[in-house]
Amino acid sequence: KQEVTQIPAALSVPEGENLVLNCSFTDSAIYNLQWFRQDPGKGLTSLLLIQSSQREQTSGRLNASLDKSSGRSTLYIAASQPGDSATYLCAVPTGGTSYGKLTFGQGTILTVHP
Amino acid sequence: DAGVIQSPRHEVTEMGQEVTLRCKPISGHDYLFWYRQTMMRGLELLIYFNNNVPIDDSGMPEDRFSAKMPNASFSTLKIQPSEPRDSAVYFCASSLTNPANTDTQYFGPGTRLTVL
Repeated sequence: KQEVTQIPAALSVPEGENLVLNCSFTDSAIYNLQWFRQDPGKGLTSLLLIQSSQREQTSGRLNASLDKSSGRSTLYIAASQPGDSATYLCAVPTGGTSYGKLTFGQGTILTVHP
Repeated sequence: DAGVIQSPRHEVTEMGQEVTLRCKPISGHDYLFWYRQTMMRGLELLIYFNNNVPIDDSGMPEDRFSAKMPNASFSTLKIQPSEPRDSAVYFCASSLTNPANTDTQYFGPGTRLTVL
């Protein structure tokens, strides 16, 4: 059974700092990994999707890396801003290519204070 | 497109009552997902549909929960009878293709259910 763990559970940083969020998964036979953002009282928004054949994906100040063999992914946020405050979740599909189920981590609550 | 639409946004009901949550996926998306999010258990997949057909309902907690997708633009999640432990935020999401490939899921704003 795939299990996804995120560390730390919560993180508070001053504005302008670079930071790293961690995600680990127990079954390395994944097809992709996604990072989502969830604002309080809102649904999830996809930030980045990394295919299993890729090592990293970048979008603006965000960079996500994937190391399948070690079962790890990181989300790097450069020059953090108060607007980055949210919960960040990673997720992997489970059950094979014909299967649409995503398993989510518990999330990291990020607070960026001015 | 307006995105995934869910109604109601908030629902407060008493134990034993029937609750129906509604979802309209993004037009053209073949997959629809129902999730439940709680502080204790995080985000859990309850059931998902492909082309209106339920594919996996192994996450449905018990027989009190049922979901239908009568057409490509509408789905319901019903709880009957409701219990206080069903209190959670219920999300609906849709995707164009299988998320195991290249496509991401688009989430609705959720329905916050409180069962007294």
